[in-house]
Amino acid sequence: EVQLVESGGGLVQPGGSLRLSCAASGFTFSSYDMHWVRQATGKGLEWVSAIGTTGDTYYPGSVKGRFTISRENAKNSLYLQLNSLRAGDTAVYYCARAAVAGTIYYYYYMDVWGKGTTVTVSS
Amino acid sequence: DIQMTQSPSSLSASVGDRVTITCRASQSVSSYLNWYQHKPGKAPKLLIYAASSLQSGVPPRFSGSGSGTDFTLTISSLQPEDFATYYCQQSYTTSWTFGQGTKVEIK
Repeated sequence: EVQLVESGGGLVQPGGSLRLSCAASGFTFSSYDMHWVRQATGKGLEWVSAIGTTGDTYYPGSVKGRFTISRENAKNSLYLQLNSLRAGDTAVYYCARAAVAGTIYYYYYMDVWGKGTTVTVSS
Repeated sequence: DIQMTQSPSSLSASVGDRVTITCRASQSVSSYLNWYQHKPGKAPKLLIYAASSLQSGVPPRFSGSGSGTDFTLTISSLQPEDFATYYCQQSYTTSWTFGQGTKVEIK
């Protein structure tokens, strides 16, 4: 069964750090781009970061310089290092697999998601 | 970043109704547009990718259309399990963005 399981969430003080993990199983992890998406309580989904199969990374402006995505293919694991955390980073964090369709044009989408891990930033 | 705007933000509908949700991009995203369904406490679920391709296992009452800046998700006959929040998302640029969501509630 294709599965993603997040862990590492918890309560952290403003300015603190946290490292989230995502364990992948049931597919060839190294062959897929991977993403992190978050949802604050009462808010919508927000894309947080992505990492390609060759290790290239992408971030939105809201987290660039504070968050770092990485992967360890030998362990089928995805990580998100959260630094300089703020109250606004409080959210459920999901990891997701990016699949691709097409032959001439390549259409990317997130087809497998984990159930999420909760990060709370509060003093 | 490309801004994605959905309308309406919420709607009330009855079982059996035809429901249409619109997503507009601040610039062209060609057909790099996906739709997801999200229920509280659950993982988001992919419904439509590349604007109009139905994800495997998703019921055919769901359909997507559009290209460029204007897109539509249609549920042809709303079922009880379809009450959820729906999001569009563009993958045209390397900085992906979601719409703000459309909550579909029971009338």
